[in-house]
Amino acid sequence: KAGVTQTPRYLIKTRGQQVTLSCSPISGHRSVSWYQQTPGQGLQFLFEYFSETQRNKGNFPGRFSGRQFSNSRSEMNVSTLELGDSALYLCASSLEGGTGVGGYTFGSGTRLTVV
Amino acid sequence: DAKTTQPNSMESNEEEPVHLPCNHSTISGTDYIHWYRQLPSQGPEYVIHGLTSNVNNRMASLAIAEDRKSSTLILHRATLRDAAVYYCILRDPYNQGGKLIFGQGTELSVKP
Repeated sequence: KAGVTQTPRYLIKTRGQQVTLSCSPISGHRSVSWYQQTPGQGLQFLFEYFSETQRNKGNFPGRFSGRQFSNSRSEMNVSTLELGDSALYLCASSLEGGTGVGGYTFGSGTRLTVV
Repeated sequence: DAKTTQPNSMESNEEEPVHLPCNHSTISGTDYIHWYRQLPSQGPEYVIHGLTSNVNNRMASLAIAEDRKSSTLILHRATLRDAAVYYCILRDPYNQGGKLIFGQGTELSVKP
């Protein structure tokens, strides 16, 4: 079956712009989480959505937002981009979501570069 | 959030077993122990998880200490494709939901 699909794979944006990243989870998975990975901070949790509701949020400024659609696809948006937002953004999906104990399947990520 | 401690790096020879340790002395009763690995240029990959008992799957085995303050991920025969960063994560599904807290992990290199 198809894995977690993230688009686009690479993106270059200018400071001050906004960006929207997309994630299509594995078919049937209702939970989608987002992570930011940088060399300095490692992998950091952004937020989790389950059945279109945000269930958990990490410690990121309000410029980072997300949403989930009825088909479980999710988008995350970063407004007023800063150079420090350059990172690999990863999406993960799970069948059960937060209260399930199973593993999450990650996509290959979107590499965002802010210039 | 419960924390884990792992060695920064380990080396292994191909086709030999690898034991990756993880300390989690502040683990709570509802924390599950998860292992993920991240190969170069890829997202993390789920490996295995457990609560109290040792667990086996096609990828690896997870040995959990009786007091649950440490665990070991065992790769029975390392291959070159096992070279990756391995993350040991504690996850309480009831209190932290789907939030995975990644540490720095252990970078495993495998020599032919």
